[in-house]
Amino acid sequence: GDSVTQMEGPVTLSEEAFLTINCTYTATGYPSLFWYVQYPGEGLQLLLKATKADDKGSNKGFEATYRKETTSFHLEKGSVQVSDSAVYFCALSGNDYKLSFGAGTTVTVRA
Amino acid sequence: GAGVSQTPSNKVTEKGKYVELRCDPISGHTALYWYRQSLGQGPEFLIYFQGTGAADDSGLPNDRFFAVRPEGSVSTLKIQRTERGDSAVYLCASSWTSGEHEQFFGPGTRLTVL
Repeated sequence: GDSVTQMEGPVTLSEEAFLTINCTYTATGYPSLFWYVQYPGEGLQLLLKATKADDKGSNKGFEATYRKETTSFHLEKGSVQVSDSAVYFCALSGNDYKLSFGAGTTVTVRA
Repeated sequence: GAGVSQTPSNKVTEKGKYVELRCDPISGHTALYWYRQSLGQGPEFLIYFQGTGAADDSGLPNDRFFAVRPEGSVSTLKIQRTERGDSAVYLCASSWTSGEHEQFFGPGTRLTVL
């Protein structure tokens, strides 16, 4: 079945550091790929998405590129802020409507 | 407008008891999803409604779990004879329809079975 594997955390960074969270997937067909974020005390929010190979999703300075050849969708941000501290989830949606999530990566940014 | 809301935010119950968890989706959203998130894990799919009918309940772990959406809006997840292993955060999401449409998540109900 469909599955997502993402980098284990926790990840602790200083402000303005570069962030990357690795995500790889296993799926039949051509899934859509997502990054969701959960800020402390809040619900899951969609951060960005890509629906086909080589698409780049971007939002709030974060980017991820759908790489079919490596079945990856790594999340990157060039300069993190304290407000980026959150749990990040990689997810996919196959030919149906279900989202399959990775285990989540906790990111803490220190001032 | 208002997002997805879930009540209660926290529920503590004893093993063997019956619980109901409520989800109010965003107005006009026809698709509704339930997920379960155990500690340190990502959410796992439970059931999906399109309108009033359960289009896919393949993620429900066993027959103690049941969900309804009688008028195509509010949904209730029902758990009978709760077990300690049912302790988790239960998330509800809604979208305009299924497929490519973004799923908007509620804040979740944290269920603790003692």
